[in-house]
Amino acid sequence: EAQVTQNPRYLITVTGKKLTVTCSQNMNHEYMSWYRQDPGLGLRQIYYSMNVEVTDKGDVPEGYKVSRKEKRNFPLILESPSPNQTSLYFCASSWTGLPDTQYFGPGTRLTVL
Amino acid sequence: QKEVEQDPGPLSVPEGAIVSLNCTYSNSAFQYFMWYRQYSRKGPELLMYTYSSGNKEDGRFTAQVDKSSKYISLFIRDSQPSDSATYLCAMSGRDNNNDMRFGAGTRLTVKP
Repeated sequence: EAQVTQNPRYLITVTGKKLTVTCSQNMNHEYMSWYRQDPGLGLRQIYYSMNVEVTDKGDVPEGYKVSRKEKRNFPLILESPSPNQTSLYFCASSWTGLPDTQYFGPGTRLTVL
Repeated sequence: QKEVEQDPGPLSVPEGAIVSLNCTYSNSAFQYFMWYRQYSRKGPELLMYTYSSGNKEDGRFTAQVDKSSKYISLFIRDSQPSDSATYLCAMSGRDNNNDMRFGAGTRLTVKP
């Protein structure tokens, strides 16, 4: 089954404690993105990657890091989480980088205390 | 002012009703318009994808774009309880995922 998986699905942590949210896709997609979704603000792109070792900032990259060492994986790293990073995070992958080919993961609900 | 405005609802309709969901936008450079459906505790899934002005129909769903008014709509005919979800509009000036702007989403409930 073609899918994008994220782990963990739910995470509660404390300010300053480094964490990683993993994202993996089994569709051999080149394009992968991370979004955050906040009430009243919709989805906002954090980072994206067009291929292995090629990443770029989205609209809200501050406080986040990503890496793309393998095609299937695109982890999101929060080196020093803060309460304003409490949000619902989605990973997405796409074959062509076009909206009509983009698949979203199930989401990771992160709470930073 | 946000680039994309969408009434968050909630919107509640009886089964079989025609549902109208709308977004307005301010950036005249937007040319690609999308509607996503997001069920509770799931990621968004693309429902409709249109380019420039006009209508697009897919089964019970019709997407309309009026670029002159900077207004897009999604109509759902013969609504079903399974249509209960949050609907997100999105738009872009380029045909790629890195330039998209999303609305905040409208929560729809279709009551049996």
